[in-house]
Amino acid sequence: NAGVTQTPKFQVLKTGQSMTLQCAQDMNHNSMYWYRQDPGMGLRLIYYSASEGTTDKGEVPNGYNVSRLNKREFSLRLESAAPSQTSVYFCASSEVGVEQYFGPGTRLTVT
Amino acid sequence: QQQVKQSPQSLIVQKGGIPIINCAYENTAFDYFPWYQQFPGKGPALLIAIRPDVSEKKEGRFTISFNKSAKQFSLHIMDSQPGDSATYFCAAEFNTDKLIFGTGTRLQVFP
Repeated sequence: NAGVTQTPKFQVLKTGQSMTLQCAQDMNHNSMYWYRQDPGMGLRLIYYSASEGTTDKGEVPNGYNVSRLNKREFSLRLESAAPSQTSVYFCASSEVGVEQYFGPGTRLTVT
Repeated sequence: QQQVKQSPQSLIVQKGGIPIINCAYENTAFDYFPWYQQFPGKGPALLIAIRPDVSEKKEGRFTISFNKSAKQFSLHIMDSQPGDSATYFCAAEFNTDKLIFGTGTRLQVFP
């Protein structure tokens, strides 16, 4: 089992460019999440999906969109990147009430 | 406000010491309190978790102490080792499958 995989690992964007971060899990989990991690701020939830076909906003959704393509895949899109979106992005998956499994992260820099 | 406050921000101990990381919460509806461990360049991984019906849980060298009346919980690492050097996050969850994370503690254990 690969667990949770994320692509790309690193990305540099210019302000205004768009991109999609990809996430896939092979644990047949219903719930999937996108977080961003910034120094001194811990992990903050951007969006989550409790099941295929549903998505909900987290704590910091502005500037992002998500798609739950199927049970395995959950993508995060930045339509017009801003320097404030420079961060490390983590995808996670879980079943209800048990641990979340995190991917290795995508380090994004917006110049 | 659903916050989890974590302290200290950083911690340096010598090998064999017992680092203690503290977290406090406000929402009494929280019913699951995990600790995650993160090594540089990796995603967080579940270390140990507790539910509010017990006051202490041990797994190997790691112990969670939980004080429901004070709305506080802490992580103790017995006989700490250089390999324990990592960032530790506390978190809390209630009934919605969403975790609220603390801001993290960077632990360094010197030989």
